[in-house]
Amino acid sequence: KQEVTQIPAALSVPEGENLVLNCSFTDSAIYNLQWFRQDPGKGLTSLLLIQSSQREQTSGRLNASLDKSSGRSTLYIAASQPGDSATYLCAVRPADSWGKLQFGAGTQVVVTP
Amino acid sequence: DTEVTQTPKHLVMGMTNKKSLKCEQHMGHRAMYWYKQKAKKPPELMFVYSYEKLSINESVPSRFSPECPNSSLLNLHLHALQPEDSALYLCASSPARDRASMAFFGQGTRLTVV
Repeated sequence: KQEVTQIPAALSVPEGENLVLNCSFTDSAIYNLQWFRQDPGKGLTSLLLIQSSQREQTSGRLNASLDKSSGRSTLYIAASQPGDSATYLCAVRPADSWGKLQFGAGTQVVVTP
Repeated sequence: DTEVTQTPKHLVMGMTNKKSLKCEQHMGHRAMYWYKQKAKKPPELMFVYSYEKLSINESVPSRFSPECPNSSLLNLHLHALQPEDSALYLCASSPARDRASMAFFGQGTRLTVV
């Protein structure tokens, strides 16, 4: 059974610092991994999608890496801003059950001015 | 347009009420999903529809009844809910044929059962 873990559960950084968020998964048989942002009480905003054949994906200040063989992905957010404060979730789409996006519990990020 | 629209945004219902949640997308996606999210927890899959047919039911109690009347619309009918069913209900969609594609989520319906 696929398990997705995000460590740390919470993170606080001063504005301007780079953020590094980790996601690990137990089964490397995945179609892709997606990173989401969730503001309190709101829905999920898609940030990046990285395919199982890719090593890296970039969008603006965001960069996600994927090491499928070791079951790890990292989301980097450069030059953090207070507006980046949110919970960040990763989710894998298992290769044996495409309909089941499996989520990690998220990392709650606070960027202080 | 990469929007998934959910209505209502907030819903308070009694345990004997019947209500429905609605989800709409116009991206041509043929896979639609319902997720349930409790506070400080990750979203949990409830149902998946593919080409308007129920594809996955994650052993959800029958007091939750999904319906996909057409390729753009997904409903979740609620009846005789319990207070522990209070949660954020999220709808999502993705292209059904392209299993490696991005999933898009709505802003959710905050449900409170009293």
